[in-house]
Amino acid sequence: AQKVTQAQTEISVVEKEDVTLDCVYETRDTTYYLFWYKQPPSGELVFLIRRNSFDEQNEISGRYSWNFQKSTSSFNFTITASQVVDSAVYFCALSQGGSEKLVFGKGTKLTVNP
Amino acid sequence: GAVVSQHPSRVICKSGTSVKIECRSLDFQATTMFWYRQFPKQSLMLMATSNEGSKATYEQGVEKDKFLINHASLTLSTLTVTSAHPEDSSFYICSARTSGLSYNEQFFGPGTRLTVL
Repeated sequence: AQKVTQAQTEISVVEKEDVTLDCVYETRDTTYYLFWYKQPPSGELVFLIRRNSFDEQNEISGRYSWNFQKSTSSFNFTITASQVVDSAVYFCALSQGGSEKLVFGKGTKLTVNP
Repeated sequence: GAVVSQHPSRVICKSGTSVKIECRSLDFQATTMFWYRQFPKQSLMLMATSNEGSKATYEQGVEKDKFLINHASLTLSTLTVTSAHPEDSSFYICSARTSGLSYNEQFFGPGTRLTVL
C-alpha cells in the first residue's frame, strides 16, 4: 500500500527564515514518482516538482530545494529566505510507476509572517 | 504547461438538487481524468478515474450512483452530484493526463467549491 506522511500540520515562520517541510512515503514499488504541490488560499494546486525513484539527485530551483533520500524514504522540501507569498498549504504526493493514481499527504500549512 | 479548466468555480445549491461540474483540458487531449474531493483543511482524496469512452472507476467508499462521471470526449469530463446534501459540500478538483507521457503527471483544474444548503 502507498502512504504519504507529512507530520507537520502547520508551520509558522518569519519572513527571510529558511523552512523545511518534511515528507515521508511508503511504497512497495521500485518505480514510483514523488511530487510537491502548493495550494494557495485560492485553492488551485500549483505543481512544484516531480521526481522519479531512480533519480536521487537533489534539486534546486531558485529559493526552493528538494532532498530525496531513498534510504529514509523521505522527500523533503526547503524554502530558503521565505517570503509572505510562500504562505500556502503544501502537499507531498506519490504515485506508483504502473498506476496513475496520486496519493496525497495531509498537507502542511505554512504561514510566513512579515 | 497544459491547462485544465473547471466550471463553475463556485456553486451554491439547495439540498436535494443535482449539480454538474465540468472539467476541460484546453490545449491537450486528456485520455484520463481524475476527480478529487477536498474537505476543509484536509487532503485531496481521489474519488474516481475516468477514461474517455468508458465507465469511470470509483474508489472504495465513493457512491457511483451519487457521483455520476461522464468522460464523453478527450477534452471534457463531467461530475454530477445527484441529490446533493450538506455533507457533499466540499472542494472538487479535477485533473487530467494524456497518454504518451513517460511519467505520471497530472494537470489540475482550479477547483469547484460546492456549498449545499
